[in-house]
Amino acid sequence: QITLKESGRTLVKPTQTLTLTCSFSGFSLTTGGVGVGWIRQPPGKALEWVALVYWDDDKRYSPSLKTRLTITKDTSENLVVLIMTNLDPVDTATYYCVYSQGSRTAPGAIDYWGQGTLVTVSS
Amino acid sequence: EIVMTQSPATLSVSPGERETLSCRASQSVGSNLAWYQQKPGQAPRLLIYGASTRATGIPARFSGSGSGTEFTLTISSLQSEDFAVYYCQQYNDWGEWTFGQGTKVEI
Repeated sequence: QITLKESGRTLVKPTQTLTLTCSFSGFSLTTGGVGVGWIRQPPGKALEWVALVYWDDDKRYSPSLKTRLTITKDTSENLVVLIMTNLDPVDTATYYCVYSQGSRTAPGAIDYWGQGTLVTVSS
Repeated sequence: EIVMTQSPATLSVSPGERETLSCRASQSVGSNLAWYQQKPGQAPRLLIYGASTRATGIPARFSGSGSGTEFTLTISSLQSEDFAVYYCQQYNDWGEWTFGQGTKVEI
């Protein structure tokens, strides 16, 4: 059974750095084709893809957020960490950790979602 | 970046009706298109992947079709539990996902 759970600070001040951790079980991030990513959703708004890391350490970022993001994985601890710098109130959102599996010739959809964690950016 | 456009933004329907939601991609995504359902306070749930394949446990009243740039999600007979927001997502570009703005299906 695949599960993902997000954790991290829920209240952050503008200009600060946010660190979110995704703890997962039921799969290994060393298995070919597996990716773990982050999706965010501002209150009452649509879903927005943020970042992805694949089993081979290929890392991808949303073009609009790229300069502020770092994603890393710890395969021994089954963790994925997202760091976002220079936070602004518009970054207030629920952040979801997600699982996908596919290949470069047959990409995969998002099969599993964490419960999400609401991050509020406010002074 | 591939832009996904969903229509309509809101759909007002009655239980038992058949409804079709649309999703358009700004360039071809082949069949690499998924649909998700999201209820208030919950994470999204995968309904359809590969444009037309139902995910595990999804009722047969949900069906997807299309390829390239035009896609539809059809709910054949709306049940009370189907009132939610539906998002399409393209995953054709390896490592770059985009979502539509969502269609809210309300009573």
